[in-house]
Amino acid sequence: QVQLQESGPGLVKPSETLSLTCNVSGVSISNYYWSWIRQPPGTGLEWIGYIYYSGTTNYNPSLKSRVTVSIDTSKNQFSLQLNSVTAADTAVYYCARHYGGNLPPLDWGQGTLVTVSS
Amino acid sequence: DIVMTQSPDSLAVSLGERATINCKSSQSVLYSSNNKNYLAWFQQKPGQPPKLLIYWASIRESGVPDRFSGSGSGTDFTLTISSLQAEDVAVYYCQQYYSSPFTFGPGTKVDIK
Repeated sequence: QVQLQESGPGLVKPSETLSLTCNVSGVSISNYYWSWIRQPPGTGLEWIGYIYYSGTTNYNPSLKSRVTVSIDTSKNQFSLQLNSVTAADTAVYYCARHYGGNLPPLDWGQGTLVTVSS
Repeated sequence: DIVMTQSPDSLAVSLGERATINCKSSQSVLYSSNNKNYLAWFQQKPGQPPKLLIYWASIRESGVPDRFSGSGSGTDFTLTISSLQAEDVAVYYCQQYYSSPFTFGPGTKVDIK
């Protein structure tokens, strides 16, 4: 059974970098696509970007200048870095697995709330 | 970007009655080379991550009850819950995965009348 678990600081100061890790268990991180998706409180879903196990990435242009998604196959985990955060980046951040780059996310983590505040 | 819209914003349906949610994309998500609509539906209950219900516009994910069905093609899609159950109270989102960035609709909240 696939399990995804997000981890990282729940509070980040404005202008600093948000860093999250998704630990994957029950399946090898190889041969799949892995996404980050966020949901500001009380609102809808925004796809941030994905990474293929080979390291190929695809980012949402609205965030591309501030986002880096990386993967560590030896640890079976992937990570998100979002630079220069503002209050608008406050959201629940989800990691998710896709079977393909043009397929919807099938398996999701439970999500982690990140608040941007001084 | 492909903009996804949904209607209504919310609806209340009696137990056992039909619920219908509409989703419209700003451009076609039908890929002509394989005749597939790159459209998915998700269900999100409070405090939980979204759950994939339907992909390719009409294919139910494994384990999803058959009271959930998807239809439509091109730019107009529908999610139907044929007989609403109490456990179906949730927010429902459509998503296009035709082109990056993969965008979601704003959601439709379904409640019991």
